[in-house]
Amino acid sequence: DVKVTQSSRYLVKRTGEKVFLECVQDMDHENMFWYRQDPGLGLRLIYFSYDVKMKEKGDIPEGYSVSREKKERFSLILESASTNQTSMYLCASSPGGSSLGYGYTFGSGTRLTVV
Amino acid sequence: AQSVSQHNHHVILSEAASLELGCNYSYGGTVNLFWYVQYPGQHLQLLLKYFSGDPLVKGIKGFEAEFIKSKFSFNLRKPSVQWSDTAEYFCAVTPYSSASKIIFGSGTRLSIRP
Repeated sequence: DVKVTQSSRYLVKRTGEKVFLECVQDMDHENMFWYRQDPGLGLRLIYFSYDVKMKEKGDIPEGYSVSREKKERFSLILESASTNQTSMYLCASSPGGSSLGYGYTFGSGTRLTVV
Repeated sequence: AQSVSQHNHHVILSEAASLELGCNYSYGGTVNLFWYVQYPGQHLQLLLKYFSGDPLVKGIKGFEAEFIKSKFSFNLRKPSVQWSDTAEYFCAVTPYSSASKIIFGSGTRLSIRP
């Protein structure tokens, strides 16, 4: 069964801390994505990556950065956590190229609370 | 900018009632369309998808959706809901030229009264 694994289910961090959220997929997918999910706002794209060492900004990249050193791993970094970054973070992956119609496979999410 | 609108934020139904959740998108070209479901405490799962052919698509658990190109709509339907359908439902679209970036709607929370 294909999987996207997010390293933490729940995290509590202090304001100003540097936070790393990790995501690993075992499907050899080219594309990986980070979203945040907030009530009434749906899923908003933070960053995505089409290939190793490649990254592109999504709709709300401010305050975040990403790293993709290996194909299977995509990390989201909060440079200096703030309370408005308290949210559910979802990682997803998808095949590249002609497989546009296959949608995403999602991880279980990381609920981050910044205090 | 491309967008997806789900006008119903919270829908409450009794068991056995019929369901229709609205979804409209703003994009003039070819699109792939999806409905995802998130059951309480679980990850997002693909419910059904459309990318060509018959505009009426059937998904898991008795759900179906109809793509009406002239109305830019992709409404989700189920003839008779069950308590286990309580979940949040997200409509999503991939413009065919955008190299797999999916745009999600804001979601509709469905509550089923037993």
